[in-house]
Amino acid sequence: SAVISQKPSRDICQRGTSLTIQCQVDSQVTMMFWYRQQPGQSLTLIATANQGSEATYESGFVIDKFPISRPNLTFSTLTVSNMSPEDSSIYLCSVEDGARGTQYFGPGTRLLVL
Amino acid sequence: LAKTTQPISMDSYEGQEVNITCSHNNIATNDYITWYQQFPSQGPRFIIQGYKTKVTNEVASLFIPADRKSSTLSLPRVSLSDTAVYYCLVGVPSNDYKLSFGAGTTVTVRA
Repeated sequence: SAVISQKPSRDICQRGTSLTIQCQVDSQVTMMFWYRQQPGQSLTLIATANQGSEATYESGFVIDKFPISRPNLTFSTLTVSNMSPEDSSIYLCSVEDGARGTQYFGPGTRLLVL
Repeated sequence: LAKTTQPISMDSYEGQEVNITCSHNNIATNDYITWYQQFPSQGPRFIIQGYKTKVTNEVASLFIPADRKSSTLSLPRVSLSDTAVYYCLVGVPSNDYKLSFGAGTTVTVRA
């Protein structure tokens, strides 16, 4: 199974600022995913990031607000731009498990925007 | 992606068997049923996946009736550490790998 790490694990930010979250996986993977989990809620897919192409965003999420980089097969970043308190959430990255068509998830980044 | 319905919460005691039923009336022919477990402050973790009848692994069993419109995750002899949110997902594996999480079932195990 893939081992995924995320940095930072948590942060407190001021509104109007931006935060970049890093996701590192211990093996090469084609597809990486970014999710948001608001307090007490389920997970919502933000975007899919394939290496070498632009990220594909789900309805309700736009590149200007959540720019994503995917420079190689083991790393990705998600930036939360111009933050507001409504962006306070846990942000999780995941990678595909090719054998079962499922996903491995990172531990998440807990973000609080004041 | 087929919509799923699960109970919001379930309470149990250590040593008991916990059965969580998920309804998925609109499941398609090529869809599989997959369950994830999420502990507080952690990302979801794959538990089990099945297509029909019964699947068992070291963590749980998954029972799927012939019409596949529902499925039941069975956790044998739960312990306090099984307290978590359990998500039932339905979809085609490898279909862009996209996952659609519903509300999940919060299972609380008490001593």
